[in-house]
Amino acid sequence: KAGVTQTPRYLIKTRGQQVTLSCSPISGHRSVSWYQQTPGQGLQFLFEYFSETQRNKGNFPGRFSGRQFSNSRSEMNVSTLELGDSALYLCASSSGPTDTQYFGPGTRLTVL
Amino acid sequence: AQSVTQLDSQVPVFEEAPVELRCNYSSSVSVYLFWYVQYPNQGLQLLLKYLSGSTLVKGINGFEAEFNKSQTSFHLRKPSVHISDTAEYFCAVMTLNGANNLFFGTGTRLTVIP
Repeated sequence: KAGVTQTPRYLIKTRGQQVTLSCSPISGHRSVSWYQQTPGQGLQFLFEYFSETQRNKGNFPGRFSGRQFSNSRSEMNVSTLELGDSALYLCASSSGPTDTQYFGPGTRLTVL
Repeated sequence: AQSVTQLDSQVPVFEEAPVELRCNYSSSVSVYLFWYVQYPNQGLQLLLKYLSGSTLVKGINGFEAEFNKSQTSFHLRKPSVHISDTAEYFCAVMTLNGANNLFFGTGTRLTVIP
């Protein structure tokens, strides 16, 4: 089985712009979770989608949003980018709630 | 609320020596426990997990971990490390209250010295 794929792998944006990141889960997995990794804050949970519904959300501002499509692929969007949004964004998929999460390689976002 | 504490931010160890990476957690509900490894410029790879049953869990690459409920610990061990084990290691918990998200520790940087 192919693993979790994330596109693009690297992005450079400027403050005020918006960005969309994409995640394709492992075939058959219906749950997709997003995490932000920064040197200062470590790994933090953003949100989780299951069967196209957001089931859980972390403590991030409304500029961070996401969605999931019927084929389980997920996108996350960050609007009005700030310098502090520079991070590695990781996507993880699992077959269902409380099942093991498998991570993709991440998208490295740099905000200038 | 839950939290995960990785007591050592950096652990240097000589090649072929044993290593233990420490993890303690706090949670008001039952949890699943995980160890992930992250190599430079890569995502997280699952090393092992504890869901239930035997408290000694064996994972990939020769790693194992022991769940100790009374001490709320889940320490990771390897009897003999290799250069290729140099990486960042993360301990994580998932609560069994329906929320499908992982809470991570701050990570331990393992450096294997030739």
